[in-house]
Amino acid sequence: DVKVTQSSRYLVKRTGEKVFLECVQDMDHENMFWYRQDPGLGLRLIYFSYDVKMKEKGDIPEGYSVSREKKERFSLILESASTNQTSMYLCASSPGTSGRGETQYFGPGTRLLVL
Amino acid sequence: AQSVTQLGSHVSVSEGALVLLRCNYSSSVPPYLFWYVQYPNQGLQLLLKYTSAATLVKGINGFEAEFKKSETSFHLTKPSAHMSDAAEYFCAVSEFSTGFQKLVFGTGTRLLVSP
Repeated sequence: DVKVTQSSRYLVKRTGEKVFLECVQDMDHENMFWYRQDPGLGLRLIYFSYDVKMKEKGDIPEGYSVSREKKERFSLILESASTNQTSMYLCASSPGTSGRGETQYFGPGTRLLVL
Repeated sequence: AQSVTQLGSHVSVSEGALVLLRCNYSSSVPPYLFWYVQYPNQGLQLLLKYTSAATLVKGINGFEAEFKKSETSFHLTKPSAHMSDAAEYFCAVSEFSTGFQKLVFGTGTRLLVSP
């Protein structure tokens, strides 16, 4: 089974702090994704990566950056956390070799509260 | 750009009743469509997906969905609801951008099942 793990289930940070959210997948997937989930808005793509050290902006990249130094690990960075970044953050991965119709596999999520 | 509309942010059914969750899509190319389920405090799990083979797609836990091109719909159904089906359900359409597949999600429908 594909396993996507996220470093924290719950996180509380202060405004202005630098925040790191870590995601690891164990299936040698090429693609990894970061989403944020907010009530009534569904999932919105922040960034994705299709290879080590490669990244692409999603729909809402402002205020975020990412890092992918190893294939299995994809980090989301909030350079200076703000209260409007309080949200549920979901990481996902997909093989990257199957073309269209690929399934994305999700981690359990990190619920971030910024005070 | 592709998009997904899920009608009804909340759907309530009684245990044993038919479940119908609605999803309409907009796509400029033949779509690949997905239904994911999110149980409380968990990540998303794939229920089923349509990848241009059979129009009636069967998924896990007794769910199925029918692709109707003329109606641009991909509604999710289950003949008899169970208490364990209470969750949030997301419809998604694949979008190819800069050569990579992304998923565009709807805003979700929360299914409530009463005894």
